[in-house]
Amino acid sequence: QVQLVESGGGVVQPGRSLRLSCAASGFTFSSYAMHWVRQAPGKGLEWVALISYDGNSYYYTHSVRGRFTISRDNSKNTLFLQMNTLRPEDTAVYYCAREDIVVGITATAYGMDVWGQGTTVTVFS
Amino acid sequence: QSVLTQPPSASGTPGQRVTISCSGSSSNIGSNYVFWYQQLPRTAPKLLIYRNNQRPSGVPDRFSGSKSGTSASLAISGLRSEDEADYFCASWDGSLVFGGGTTLTVL
Repeated sequence: QVQLVESGGGVVQPGRSLRLSCAASGFTFSSYAMHWVRQAPGKGLEWVALISYDGNSYYYTHSVRGRFTISRDNSKNTLFLQMNTLRPEDTAVYYCAREDIVVGITATAYGMDVWGQGTTVTVFS
Repeated sequence: QSVLTQPPSASGTPGQRVTISCSGSSSNIGSNYVFWYQQLPRTAPKLLIYRNNQRPSGVPDRFSGSKSGTSASLAISGLRSEDEADYFCASWDGSLVFGGGTTLTVL
C-alpha cells in the first residue's frame, strides 16, 4: 500500500545536527514532489520545505533557510531533511508528505495527499 | 500569528451542519487554491479538500469546501462523533501557509 515512514528523530542539544529520513513505498516516488511539515507540541502545522520530483528545485520556510537542507534519493525512494544548528524552537513532530505539483507553479497543486506518521525532534539542553 | 486566520474552536451536535472559516489576503487565498486538512487526535493530518472544493476519493460528501475572494470555508453536514478533530486550511503565499487550526467538538 502507499506509505511514507519517517525516521531519524531524537533528542539533541541546541547547535547540534540531525538527519531525518522518509522512506516511500507503494507508489512511484520519483513522480512526486515531497514536503516536510512540522508541528510543535500543542501547536498547529508549519510547512518546512518542498523539493521537486527530480530534486532540482527546492523551497524553505524563512526560519530554517540556511540551516536545513531537503534532498532526495529517487534510486532508494527516500526523502531527507538535514537539520543543522538546531534551536529549541525546532522541537516538533516532523511529517513528510507527497504532492502532485510542479514546484514553482502553485496552480498545479493538488494538496498533500499522503502523509507519514511523523518523527519527533526535541532540542533542549 | 498565522497568515491564515481560523476560529480556534467550533462545535455542533450530531446531525448538525457546521462551518469553519479561513480568512486570508489577496496574496494567498485571493490568488491561490485553498486546501483543508483534518487531523484526528494523535494521528497525522489527512487531505480533506483540495483546490478549494474538490474531495479526494474516500472523503464523504458530507465535507465540502468553498472560496470567495480572500476567504474560504469548510462545511460539515450531518455531523458525526468521528468528525471531532483539528481542521487546518492552507494556501500558497510565496511559501505554503497554514491557518492556526480549528478544534471541532461534537457535543
